[in-house]
Amino acid sequence: AQSVTQLGSHVSVSEGALVLLRCNYSSSVPPYLFWYVQYPNQGLQLLLKYTSAATLVKGINGFEAEFKKSETSFHLTKPSAHMSDAAEYFCAVRRSGAGSYQLTFGKGTKLSVIP
Amino acid sequence: NAGVTQTPKFQVLKTGQSMTLQCAQDMNHNSMYWYRQDPGMGLRLIYYSASEGTTDKGEVPNGYNVSRLNKREFSLRLESAAPSQTSVYFCASSEAAPLKQTGPTWAQHFGDGTRLSIL
Repeated sequence: AQSVTQLGSHVSVSEGALVLLRCNYSSSVPPYLFWYVQYPNQGLQLLLKYTSAATLVKGINGFEAEFKKSETSFHLTKPSAHMSDAAEYFCAVRRSGAGSYQLTFGKGTKLSVIP
Repeated sequence: NAGVTQTPKFQVLKTGQSMTLQCAQDMNHNSMYWYRQDPGMGLRLIYYSASEGTTDKGEVPNGYNVSRLNKREFSLRLESAAPSQTSVYFCASSEAAPLKQTGPTWAQHFGDGTRLSIL
């Protein structure tokens, strides 16, 4: 079964510093991976996704993620954090087999940006 | 461009009361989903509807029922609310593409959520 693990429930960075949010996946088939962002009191918004077309995926708001099969990772990065990046971030994998319409989400990482 | 619309946004219930959460999408998607979000738990799938006329249980279906009213609308019903159902509920929709067709446009699109408290 497919699953994702997000390392760190809470990450704090200074404004202007590198943002690195970690996601590792477990999948017996080629995975389809997603990063979503949730701002306070809002729904989830798609940041980017990996669908095997390219290992380095660029998303909205300057975020990108690199798919590394050897490390079973899909970490999210942004070179320079902005105050507006403070939010909760979720990694997700699309399931295969009978549940292929389902996404399995990680538990989320809350990003705080310190001025 | 509304996307996925959920009503109500907030609700407080007493234990044992019933209520229906409404969801509508205007993206002509075939598949719709209901999730609950609890602190430290991420999102967990309650029920989903792969296409109009079908519904299936997700990870945490107990205590809930769903109705796929038509292609646009997918409702979630709590028949007898319990404090353990206090949560934020999200509806989502997507194209009904098989896994191998997870192309550049496939994703689940979410509403803004319903914050439900059960006393």
